[in-house]
Amino acid sequence: EPEVTQTPSHQVTQMGQEVILRCVPISNHLYFYWYRQILGQKVEFLVSFYNNEISEKSEIFDDQFSVERPDGSNFTLKIRSTKLEDSAMYFCASSGTSGVGTKNTEAFFGQGTRLTVV
Amino acid sequence: DQQVKQNSPSLSVQEGRISILNCDYTNSMFDYFLWYKKYPAEGPTFLISISSIKDKNEDGRFTVFLNKSAKHLSLHIVPSQPGDSAVYFCAASAEGSARQLTFGSGTQLTVLP
Repeated sequence: EPEVTQTPSHQVTQMGQEVILRCVPISNHLYFYWYRQILGQKVEFLVSFYNNEISEKSEIFDDQFSVERPDGSNFTLKIRSTKLEDSAMYFCASSGTSGVGTKNTEAFFGQGTRLTVV
Repeated sequence: DQQVKQNSPSLSVQEGRISILNCDYTNSMFDYFLWYKKYPAEGPTFLISISSIKDKNEDGRFTVFLNKSAKHLSLHIVPSQPGDSAVYFCAASAEGSARQLTFGSGTQLTVLP
């Protein structure tokens, strides 16, 4: 069964450092997303990406964040200068040709990357 | 601004009985609703969904009910099994929102053997 894969599973970084979280979405999907879940809190939307550009982003997704689809298979989230409050589980997701809500397609999630900023 | 609310952080049910998880939403633009199940250290796994044009969708032991006038949906699991113990997230999507999912805070379901 096709799945979304994320690497690394756990990343520890020093405050102020840049990190890149990597995702390989399901191959024929067109919509890509990043979500995060701070420990004990709800899953929060960060950004959606379609047709090589950001479709929508939340207020969490400020200038320190960026996303890229560098080679047609990977989808990356970069955090330029990490802060302690960026510590969270980061989930990548992808959805099919019509996106969630159209033709009843759901988003498939990866296993997540646990980011710990020290 | 909690557009999707799950007011019960936890629920315990005896094995074999029905589990009912509730979710309320405030955004009338939401037209598609999903339930995800999440185990610790794993990503959310899609369980079942419902479009706003329906009021019920059933898949095996899982049934989702939607009451649009009350902006309320519920997930029924019957019979509940110990393997169902997980955090259940309600999520919603609106057409024209780039398909982003808005999640509730989750309900920890524990099914007791």
